[in-house]
Amino acid sequence: AQKVTQAQTEISVVEKEDVTLDCVYETRDTTYYLFWYKQPPSGELVFLIRRNSFDEQNEISGRYSWNFQKSTSSFNFTITASQVVDSAVYFCALSEADGGTSYGKLTFGQGTILTVHP
Amino acid sequence: DSGVTQTPKHLITATGQRVTLRCSPRSGDLSVYWYQQSLDQGLQFLIQYYNGEERAKGNILERFSAQQFPDLHSELNLSSLELGDSALYFCASSPSASSYNEQFFGPGTRLTVL
Repeated sequence: AQKVTQAQTEISVVEKEDVTLDCVYETRDTTYYLFWYKQPPSGELVFLIRRNSFDEQNEISGRYSWNFQKSTSSFNFTITASQVVDSAVYFCALSEADGGTSYGKLTFGQGTILTVHP
Repeated sequence: DSGVTQTPKHLITATGQRVTLRCSPRSGDLSVYWYQQSLDQGLQFLIQYYNGEERAKGNILERFSAQQFPDLHSELNLSSLELGDSALYFCASSPSASSYNEQFFGPGTRLTVL
C-alpha cells in the first residue's frame, strides 16, 4: 500500500531564512508520481509541482526547489529566502500507476504547517 | 482560481440528516475526485469518477455516495450524518483518469454536523 510521511508537523522560521520540508514515500509500483500542494489560510489546495518516478532531475522554480531521491524514497521541498506569504500548510502526495491501471487518486501526507515570521 | 467550483461553501446541519455537495469540474476535465479533510484523518481520498463512471474508491463510508452526471458535474451525498462527518470536503478535477495528471481543487465545502 502506498504511504506518504511528512515527519515535520510544524516549522517556524523568520523571514529570509531557507526552509526545507521533508517528504518520504512508500510504494510498490515502479511508476508513480509525486506532488506538492500548498494550502494557504484561505483553505484552497494549490498545485505546486509534479515529479515522475523515472525523472530524478531536481527542479527549481523561483524561490522554490525540489529534490527527488529515489534511493531514499524522498521528495523534499526547499523554499529559499522565505517570505510571510509562504505561510501555509504544505502537502506532499503520491499517485500510483497501479500496475498499468491508472488511477488518479492521491495519497497525501499529514502536511507541514509552515509559519514565516516577519 | 482553479476553475473548479463547489457549492455550498458552508453547510451546517444536524445529526441524522442528509446533505448533497455539488462540484463542477474545470472546463474540459473528465475526471472528478472527492476528498475529505479532517483534523484526525487528514486529507483522505473518497472516490473518483471518470466520464460518468466510477473509477476508484477509497475510504468512503457506505452512508456516502456520489455520482457524475452527463454534463460532468458531480454530487456527493452524505446521509445519516454523524458528528464525526464534520470536515472540509474537496472536489478536484483533471483532464483524464491518469495518475500522471495534476488535480485542480475547488475551494471546498465546510460541513458542520451539530
